[in-house]
Amino acid sequence: GAGVSQSPSNKVTEKGKDVELRCDPISGHTALYWYRQSLGQGLEFLIYFQGNSAPDKSGLPSDRFSAERTGGSVSTLTIQRTQQEDSAVYLCASSPRTSGYTGELFFGEGSRLTVL
Amino acid sequence: GQQLNQSPQSMFIQEGEDVSMNCTSSSIFNTWLWYKQEPGEGPVLLIALYKAGELTSNGRLTAQFGITRKDSFLNISASIPSDVGIYFCGGTSYDKVIFGPGTSLSVIP
Repeated sequence: GAGVSQSPSNKVTEKGKDVELRCDPISGHTALYWYRQSLGQGLEFLIYFQGNSAPDKSGLPSDRFSAERTGGSVSTLTIQRTQQEDSAVYLCASSPRTSGYTGELFFGEGSRLTVL
Repeated sequence: GQQLNQSPQSMFIQEGEDVSMNCTSSSIFNTWLWYKQEPGEGPVLLIALYKAGELTSNGRLTAQFGITRKDSFLNISASIPSDVGIYFCGGTSYDKVIFGPGTSLSVIP
């Protein structure tokens, strides 16, 4: 498709289980971002990739969170030993260049994670 | 860290009314952005501002980049039902966008 694709769109898991969220950016976009949106909250920056490297991981809330990007394309956000406070919508965005230049991000529809 | 504040937190307005919302920061940003998020969707860029004092319009939307580079406002004229959503301001910091908590807009037909 033409836009940013995220999967799954909805995930319900039990506390303590691991989850993987996938993001397929717009073809040719070199920069990829993960944000978290908790209920009624704003967009919390998690991590940013330029190509396959992550120059800024400062937003990852704990060492249970990790992300990787392969082939300069698809990215996976992994949350280990999920906790109830991890429940949120995880949004992925891509950009043809680093957003520090234009700030223009193209967002996917998000993956809604519910931890029971 | 850098934080953005938005006001008001939520608004309920009558169709046809004008809307004004603000974004402030204790830090200077080089770029100010306004995004809109509709239910079940990701945010979409509405307006980008790159220069202090800049006033930019996009249809019924007008936004300004404050002279101090620490604030911005967004105005929507003659609101319509499809204006409903959450409006986020953002500022660029190094290679990422920092977002405010959002202003939720409801339009009563």
